[in-house]
Amino acid sequence: DVKVTQSSRYLVKRTGEKVFLECVQDMDHENMFWYRQDPGLGLRLIYFSYDVKMKEKGDIPEGYSVSREKKERFSLILESASTNQTSMYLCASSFSRFGEQFFGPGTRLTVL
Amino acid sequence: GENVEQHPSTLSVQEGDSAVIKCTYSDSASNYFPWYKQELGKGPQLIIDIRSNVGEKKDQRIAVTLNKTAKHFSLHITETQPEDSAVYFCAAGGGFAGGTSYGKLTFGQGTILTVHP
Repeated sequence: DVKVTQSSRYLVKRTGEKVFLECVQDMDHENMFWYRQDPGLGLRLIYFSYDVKMKEKGDIPEGYSVSREKKERFSLILESASTNQTSMYLCASSFSRFGEQFFGPGTRLTVL
Repeated sequence: GENVEQHPSTLSVQEGDSAVIKCTYSDSASNYFPWYKQELGKGPQLIIDIRSNVGEKKDQRIAVTLNKTAKHFSLHITETQPEDSAVYFCAAGGGFAGGTSYGKLTFGQGTILTVHP
């Protein structure tokens, strides 16, 4: 069965902290994505990666960076967390560029 | 870049009724249109998708229609059941290999569907 796991379901951090959100997929997918979900705004793409060590900016990359050292793992990094980064973060993976994306359960991040 | 508008934001129906959710998009290069369903506490899950060479696609109680000229596409759920209650997202993506938008999906704002027994 297809599985995307995210390191935490809930996370509380303080302003200015460095935050790592981890995502692992077990489907040998080439493509991985990070979205944030906010009420009334839907899902917005932060970064995506179509290969190991490759990354592309999404629609809202400011304040975020990513790392993909291994095919199965895609990390989202908040270098200096701010309150406006309080949100639900969703990771996804897909076999093809425009095929089904499989989502993890999400990490609800609160920045105080 | 692509812009996707989704309506309505909330939809309440009685069990057995039909539900329709509509989306418009702006980029004529988009050629892939998936619909995702998100249940409480879970990530979104693909329920149906359509590509630009097809005008309509059906899967049991769910159908999607696409009008490329008008740049809009719709999700139709017939004979709704309480388990259809969820948040539904449309999305649009496309572009060509080597282009900056290739591989990106732009999602709509979401529709909260409630089916009353």
